[in-house]
Amino acid sequence: DAGVTQSPTHLIKTRGQQVTLRCSPISGHKSVSWYQQVLGQGPQFIFQYYEKEERGRGNFPDRFSARQFPNYSSELNVNALLLGDSALYLCASSFNWGAQYFGPGTRLTVL
Amino acid sequence: QQQVKQSPQSLIVQKGGISIINCAYENTAFDYFPWYQQFPGKGPALLIAIRPDVSEKKEGRFTISFNKSAKQFSLHIMDSQPGDSATYFCAASMTSGNTPLVFGKGTRLSVIA
Repeated sequence: DAGVTQSPTHLIKTRGQQVTLRCSPISGHKSVSWYQQVLGQGPQFIFQYYEKEERGRGNFPDRFSARQFPNYSSELNVNALLLGDSALYLCASSFNWGAQYFGPGTRLTVL
Repeated sequence: QQQVKQSPQSLIVQKGGISIINCAYENTAFDYFPWYQQFPGKGPALLIAIRPDVSEKKEGRFTISFNKSAKQFSLHIMDSQPGDSATYFCAASMTSGNTPLVFGKGTRLSVIA
């Protein structure tokens, strides 16, 4: 079975630009969560979606937005990129509340 | 406010030895405690998880010990192997409230031959 997939793998942007990251959950999973992982730290929660509705939002600025599509895939958008947005962005899917399975992540570098 | 505190920050263990990583949490409403293993450049992989109704869970060489009264839980890796060298994260969440995972800061484990 395919796990969580994310695209692109790597991304280089400049300050002020906008970026869209994509995630496909494990088949049958209806919940998708996004996390940001800065080098040397644990993942920090950004958003959670379930059945296309936002169910939770972490302490991130409004420059961060997300959505979930009818096929349960999801996009994370970040506007007006800052140097501090450079991180590994992780998508996790879950069938119910509890076990979350992470994808390989998208490495975003902001120059 | 760090809700999950993890220690040690780094750990060096001899091959065949026991690796022990500890975590402490503050929120007594947490009811799900997973451990993740992460290799460089990869996403975290779910290793093992426990709920507060049991004090220990074992899967292969990996064991979680849980102390509800002390609000602590730990990961034990028996017969540690060089392939276990990775960063390990503990986490916690309230599944009843559908809250996201709160992670510790991670422990970098190095198993040397």
